[in-house]
Amino acid sequence: KNQVEQSPQSLIILEGKNCTLQCNYTVSPFSNLRWYKQDTGRGPVSLTIMTFSENTKSNGRYTATLDADTKQSSLHITASQLSDSASYICVVGSGWGKLQFGAGTQVVVTP
Amino acid sequence: GAVVSQHPSWVICKSGTSVKIECRSLDFQATTMFWYRQFPKQSLMLMATSNEGSKATYEQGVEKDKFLINHASLTLSTLTVTSAHPEDSSFYICSAREGSNEQFFGPGTRLTVL
Repeated sequence: KNQVEQSPQSLIILEGKNCTLQCNYTVSPFSNLRWYKQDTGRGPVSLTIMTFSENTKSNGRYTATLDADTKQSSLHITASQLSDSASYICVVGSGWGKLQFGAGTQVVVTP
Repeated sequence: GAVVSQHPSWVICKSGTSVKIECRSLDFQATTMFWYRQFPKQSLMLMATSNEGSKATYEQGVEKDKFLINHASLTLSTLTVTSAHPEDSSFYICSAREGSNEQFFGPGTRLTVL
């Protein structure tokens, strides 16, 4: 069973609207949680990195939250743009130094 | 930010041939490099971890004789897929980090084996 579960698997949103992606994890011991954006046919690009003590972190129109007690994270995209169409991957770093990858949420922004 | 490049970006080869993929860190010294494989609509799966000057550590289920990894310098690692078969067709992504710093991912290499 994957230690990092993302939902929804995919979603379609209208340009200009907001959306929220979810990530639940069971990785232990926990070190950090990262959100990446992966365009089709490209490598992942880091959006945010949060450690245990951080609850929220923003990067432009992207805002990530972390609840280390419930082992949940979310990524909120504000005022979506066509260029936001991509796969968004939640990655949890363990205390052993390994990264556990979620399967990603495929976001499609339509005009 | 740190830049990691991969070459080639895509390659098509015949079954039974070998293919080499390069991963370079352009503006930092990559003491550790990672190789991942990603099938369509799936997560990145770690194949192996390599430290400069040492033998690579392979994940369970990854054949070290089929996926040869060389990390001979602090800026270059290579992955050679030997005797490639159609089931090896995938998207191969490397990442690199300096010390315990953040990992940076390359743009990936699309391998298609006919």
